[in-house]
Amino acid sequence: LAKTTQPISMDSYEGQEVNITCSHNNIATNDYITWYQQFPSQGPRFIIQGYKTKVTNEVASLFIPADRKSSTLSLPRVSLSDTAVYYCLVGDIGDSSYKLIFGSGTRLLVRP
Amino acid sequence: GAVVSQHPSRVICKSGTSVKIECRSLDFQATTMFWYRQFPKQSLMLMATSNEGSKATYEQGVEKDKFLINHASLTLSTLTVTSAHPEDSSFYICSAGWGDSYNEQFFGPGTRLTVL
Repeated sequence: LAKTTQPISMDSYEGQEVNITCSHNNIATNDYITWYQQFPSQGPRFIIQGYKTKVTNEVASLFIPADRKSSTLSLPRVSLSDTAVYYCLVGDIGDSSYKLIFGSGTRLLVRP
Repeated sequence: GAVVSQHPSRVICKSGTSVKIECRSLDFQATTMFWYRQFPKQSLMLMATSNEGSKATYEQGVEKDKFLINHASLTLSTLTVTSAHPEDSSFYICSAGWGDSYNEQFFGPGTRLTVL
C-alpha cells in the first residue's frame, strides 16, 4: 500500500482558504486518493475522492497533478468548525480486499 | 450518506472482564466491516477486516483470541475485548463498505472503552 506523508499541523484563520498537501510517491496505477476529516471522539467523515486532475464538491476541492505523486485538499473560507484532523489515504478502491490505512494526518487549527 | 451506528458509545469496565461492542449498518447491507483502534492524539490503526459469514482477517500484531470479531449478518458486526486490561483502554471505531468497491467507507461514531 502506498504510504502518504502530510504536514503534522497547520494553523489558519476564519475565512481563509486552506490547502493541505499530501505526498504519495509510490502511488499505484489503480490507486485512488481519498481524504477524511475527523473531529475529536468521532469517527472519520469522507470529504472527497479523486484519481487525477481536479475534483470539486460542496465542501472541498482536490487537486491532483499529472504524475499523481501528490495531492492537495483545498478548503475554501474555513470556519472554526473546520478545526479537525485531515487524513489523506491512497488505495485501489476496486480491490475487494481494499482497506484504509491511516497515516498521521494533519491537525488543522482554525483561529477566530 | 449511509449511517453506521455503534453501541455502546462509552463503556467503563473492571480489569479482567469482557466487553462487547456492536457495529450496525442502519440503511445498507455491509459485506465488509472494519475495526480500528485509536489512542489519544494518534491516528486510527486498523485491527481487522470482518466479512459476513466468514472469519475475520486480523492485522499483524493484533491478537485474534483477545479481540473476537463476529459478523453474523450483513448489518451487524461485533467486537469483543476479552479479559480487558487498562492498556486496552482506547477509542474503538468501526466502518462499513459495500459492494465490490470501497470508494467511500462509512464510519461509526466510535466507542470509548475505559478499563479500570
